[in-house]
Amino acid sequence: GQNIDQPTEMTATEGAIVQINCTYQTSGFNGLFWYQQHAGEAPTFLSYNVLDGLEEKGRFSSFLSRSKGYSYLLLKELQMKDSASYLCAVRDTDKLIFGTGTRLQVFP
Amino acid sequence: NAGVTQTPKFRVLKTGQSMTLLCAQDMNHEYMYWYRQDPGMGLRLIHYSVGEGTTAKGEVPDGYNVSRLKKQNFLLGLESAAPSQTSVYFCASNSLGPPNEKLFFGSGTQLSVL
Repeated sequence: GQNIDQPTEMTATEGAIVQINCTYQTSGFNGLFWYQQHAGEAPTFLSYNVLDGLEEKGRFSSFLSRSKGYSYLLLKELQMKDSASYLCAVRDTDKLIFGTGTRLQVFP
Repeated sequence: NAGVTQTPKFRVLKTGQSMTLLCAQDMNHEYMYWYRQDPGMGLRLIHYSVGEGTTAKGEVPDGYNVSRLKKQNFLLGLESAAPSQTSVYFCASNSLGPPNEKLFFGSGTQLSVL
């Protein structure tokens, strides 16, 4: 079966650091993605991990541990525009399966 | 660059009516997908295609049919719409192979079934 879990909502303060966790159990694994989705818009790609470890891209970093079925997205120096939903997704052979998403609200 | 284009952007149907959503991509991508997004449910895969002439079921295929007659187009059909199919529908596409297989999404279709 397929199961991808992430917290439903998180809040943080502008300038702070926030970590969004994702745990997964899937029948196959060919990589893990993080997407950002602002309200009323389509998801946009943030990061991709296929090997264990940390991938850094500017203010955003993503970590993967395949043995633990675990990933996190780290957002540094939070800005108001980072208020959005963050979607964890796992590629299982031919298809990409999404978690329910984490809605992040950034307050001044 | 057009990328992934979905039509229509909005549609209201009555229960029992039929309609087709069109997805077109101009990036020569092999893979195409249809997702639906409901509040609190995230993106759920309806059907997908790994190449022209192929289709496969996703997580929630019931009540929908798809066709991929041309590589650039992926059609999603609702034969007899039901209120439970009220949702936002996203089409996406990507190419094969590492290192970056990110999905490119269309802008979405808001469908309401009354």
